[in-house]
Amino acid sequence: SAVISQKPSRDICQRGTSLTIQCQVDSQVTMMFWYRQQPGQSLTLIATANQGSEATYESGFVIDKFPISRPNLTFSTLTVSNMSPEDSSIYLCSVGEGLSGNTIYFGEGSWLTVV
Amino acid sequence: QKEVEQDPGPLSVPEGAIVSLNCTYSNSAFQYFMWYRQYSRKGPELLMYTYSSGNKEDGRFTAQVDKSSKYISLFIRDSQPSDSATYLCAMIHSGGSNYKLTFGKGTLLTVNP
Repeated sequence: SAVISQKPSRDICQRGTSLTIQCQVDSQVTMMFWYRQQPGQSLTLIATANQGSEATYESGFVIDKFPISRPNLTFSTLTVSNMSPEDSSIYLCSVGEGLSGNTIYFGEGSWLTVV
Repeated sequence: QKEVEQDPGPLSVPEGAIVSLNCTYSNSAFQYFMWYRQYSRKGPELLMYTYSSGNKEDGRFTAQVDKSSKYISLFIRDSQPSDSATYLCAMIHSGGSNYKLTFGKGTLLTVNP
C-alpha cells in the first residue's frame, strides 16, 4: 500500500488565521481525498483532489473555506481558511488504489485545534 | 435514515473472546465494503475489504457481507488487548470517476487483559 505523509501532524491555530496541510504519497496515485473527523465523530469527505483541475467538493464544503491543490500525482494540499473553533478536527488525506479504487488508505492525520 | 448505521458501543470484552462488530446500510448501490481500525489520535488503518456477499478471512479477522440483508460484520477471534481501538465500517458506491467512502460512526472496542 502507498505510504502517506501529512504535515503538520498537529497544530494550535488562532481564530481567523489559515493553515495549509500537506500530503505527500510515496507513489503516483490517481485518486486523492481529504476527510475531516470532528471530535467523537466519524469521517466526512470534504473533497476529491483532482490532478490538474479544480477539486470536487461535497455538500457543505466550499472552495473558499477549504481550497485544495493537486499539482501532481503524489502531492496535495488542503488549506483551512479563516478558522474558527468549529474547525478543530483531524484532517485526513487519503488515496485510492486498485482497479476500482476500492482500497482506500489514510495518512496519520493533522490534528488542528483552533483557539 | 442514515446510509450506514453502526452501533457506537462501547464494547468491552475479555482477552481471548470472539468479537462481533456490525453495520447495516440502506443504499443498495454500495459495492465495496471495508473495515478500518483507528487507534486514538491516529489515522484509520485498512483491515479488510470485500466486494461480494460471503466471508473473507485474514488471520484472526473475518469480514462477512450479506447484500440481501444489507448487513456486514467483522469478527475478531482470540481478541487481544492490542485490538482495543475504534472500528469503522465504510462503503463505496462507484459513480463516474469518483469513489466516495461513506463511514459508520465507529464502534469503540476495549479488550481487557
